[in-house]
Order: sequence, then C-alpha cells, then structure tokens
Amino acid sequence: ETGVTQTPRHLVMGMTNKKSLKCEQHLGHNAMYWYKQSAKKPLELMFVYNFKEQTENNSVPSRFSPECPNSSHLFLHLHTLQPEDSALYLCASSRSSGGSPLHFGNGTRLTVT
Amino acid sequence: DAKTTQPPSMDCAEGRAANLPCNHSTISGNEYVYWYRQIHSQGPQYIIHGLKNNETNEMASLIITEDRKSSTLILPHATLRDTAVYYCIVRVVAGGTSYGKLTFGQGTILTVHP
Repeated sequence: ETGVTQTPRHLVMGMTNKKSLKCEQHLGHNAMYWYKQSAKKPLELMFVYNFKEQTENNSVPSRFSPECPNSSHLFLHLHTLQPEDSALYLCASSRSSGGSPLHFGNGTRLTVT
Repeated sequence: DAKTTQPPSMDCAEGRAANLPCNHSTISGNEYVYWYRQIHSQGPQYIIHGLKNNETNEMASLIITEDRKSSTLILPHATLRDTAVYYCIVRVVAGGTSYGKLTFGQGTILTVHP
C-alpha cells in the first residue's frame, strides 16, 4: 500500500476510444502529478497541480486532459490516442513545500491499439 | 536541475552492503540530492535525500562528499527485494514552482543475488 492508488492497473484502448485514469491519495498532500514512463525512456513529467490549480503543463498534447477536482483526486482523460502513447502512467503526490519527496502510485499500464 | 551520472548496472551479494555511486559535478548550492528506486512493475519509491550532511534513515544512508560533486547511497544489508533501478536526482528546493520537477535519468540497475 503506497498511499497513492491508481486505477485501473491495466488498460487497453483503441485510438477512437475515450477513457480516464484515476488517482487517489490518502496522505494529506496538496500537490499531485502525472508522469509518463515509456519503454526504455526516463520518466517524464506531464502535469503538476498544487491546491487543485494546474501549475505545470510540460508541453503535453491536448489528447491528454487532466482534471483535479480536489487535493485528493486526480484524473487523466484520454481521447484519440496514438499507439506511441502506450506507456506506464504514474501519479504522484507531495506536500506543497519545495523539497517534499514525491510518493508515487504503481501506475496504469496503457496499451493503445 | 544538474545532471547526474550513474553506472548502468551493479551486482551485490545478499547480506552485503550495496554502495551505489552518483556523480553530480555541476550541482549548485541550492540543489539537494535525492534517491529513488523503482522495483519492476511498481512506481518509484522515495529512499532518502540530503544537502551536504550525511543522512541515514531506516532504508539507507546517504554519503555526500565535502565538495558535493558526488554521493553514495548505501544499503547496509542488501536483500533480494532490493533488486531495482536506483535513481539519483539533484533538485532545486527553493520553493515556488520547483516542486514536482524530478528529472529522472536512466539510473543504476542493482541486482542482488543469493
């Protein structure tokens, strides 16, 4: 149990589908993040939310749409994805002070067919 | 954030200490050294971090050289479950919008064998 729960763990979707990834944290943190981990590539930061406000969008294509309704929940809405978007999508949370360590979930393994 | 250099892989015998080196020769005065690890099929796990003093917690020890250009993560008694990719990251922690910006490299694949 990491304190950060991601669902689903695995997802297969076609390029015309719409799906959502969910992340929930029970650590009382105020900052939440989406990272992408493609095969044989380092983790890449996608989005940062602090107190429900988006503070970072790392040039992510608009087919990825994040939503943060409160400090405990984070969603990543997916639509018209490409096969190259297949990856492990990781959610993390932290306190909002600059040096606080990030706590990661175990990710959603996404396959786009 | 400063770039780090780590060996791509290391081996360690179970029960022995694992010493993982990291070079960060361009580190700035306001950058901390963080260590994370990622076990197969799991998300990264925070291990430890420090600025210039050596640090120890229940998982590991972090030794930072006096000039701060390199550091070593020490797992004192490695077990098979410590087999993972270990990431050394330097990161500005001056506040503002710096949080979350962990820049991961390729890390070191540590294999602990019986």
